[in-house]
Amino acid sequence: GAVVSQHPSRVICKSGTSVKIECRSLDFQATTMFWYRQFPKQSLMLMATSNEGSKATYEQGVEKDKFLINHASLTLSTLTVTSAHPEDSSFYICSARTPREGDGYTFGSGTRLTVV
Amino acid sequence: QKEVEQNSGPLSVPEGAIASLNCTYSDRGSQSFFWYRQYSGKSPELIMSIYSNGDKEDGRFTAQLNKASQYVSLLIRDSQPSDSATYLCAVNPAGNQFYFGTGTSLTVIP
Repeated sequence: GAVVSQHPSRVICKSGTSVKIECRSLDFQATTMFWYRQFPKQSLMLMATSNEGSKATYEQGVEKDKFLINHASLTLSTLTVTSAHPEDSSFYICSARTPREGDGYTFGSGTRLTVV
Repeated sequence: QKEVEQNSGPLSVPEGAIASLNCTYSDRGSQSFFWYRQYSGKSPELIMSIYSNGDKEDGRFTAQLNKASQYVSLLIRDSQPSDSATYLCAVNPAGNQFYFGTGTSLTVIP
C-alpha cells in the first residue's frame, strides 16, 4: 500500500532555532500533502495544505511566516518551524491522499518536537 | 456546528464484548467515510472506509453508514486489549476536503 515517510521522528531543539520536518510519499506521487499538529490528548488540527509547485494554504490562525512549507516535488513536502518556542512543542503529522480509491489519506509516522 | 462529531468517551468495554463507536456529520452531500485508529503517541492508521448505505465488514470490524441520518458507526466485535486506542471518524465531502472528528477513546478491559 501507499507509504508516507516522515523524518525525523523525534527532535529536541533550543528555543529560537529552526527545525525542518520532511514528508515523503514513497511509492506514489502526491500533488497535495497536509500538515497536522496534535497536542497531548487533543484532536488532529489541520495546519496547512501543501501544494506541489505553488504556495501552501494555511488554516486560520496558523502563522505562515513561522511554519514554512515547501512542496518542491511530487514526493516531498517539508515543514520548517522557524524561531521555535516551547509552545510549539507538539506532535506534527503529515498526510497525503492515497492514489487508490477507498484508501482515504495515509499518514506519516509523525514528528515529536520538543523545544527547550 | 462541527463538520464531524464524535463522543470523546472514554468508552470502556470488557474483553470479548462489542465496542460501538458513533459519528455524525453535517454535510449531507458527503460521499466518503473513514475510520482511523490512533494509538497514543502514534499517527492515525486507516481501519475502514465506507461509501454506501449499510454495513461493511472486515474481520472483527464493521462499519455502518446511514446517509439519511448522517450517521456512521464502527463496531468492533470480540474486543481485545490491543484495540484500546482513540478512534477517529473522517468524512470527505468533496475533493481534498477531509474533516476529522475529535476521536473517541476506547479502553478494552482484560
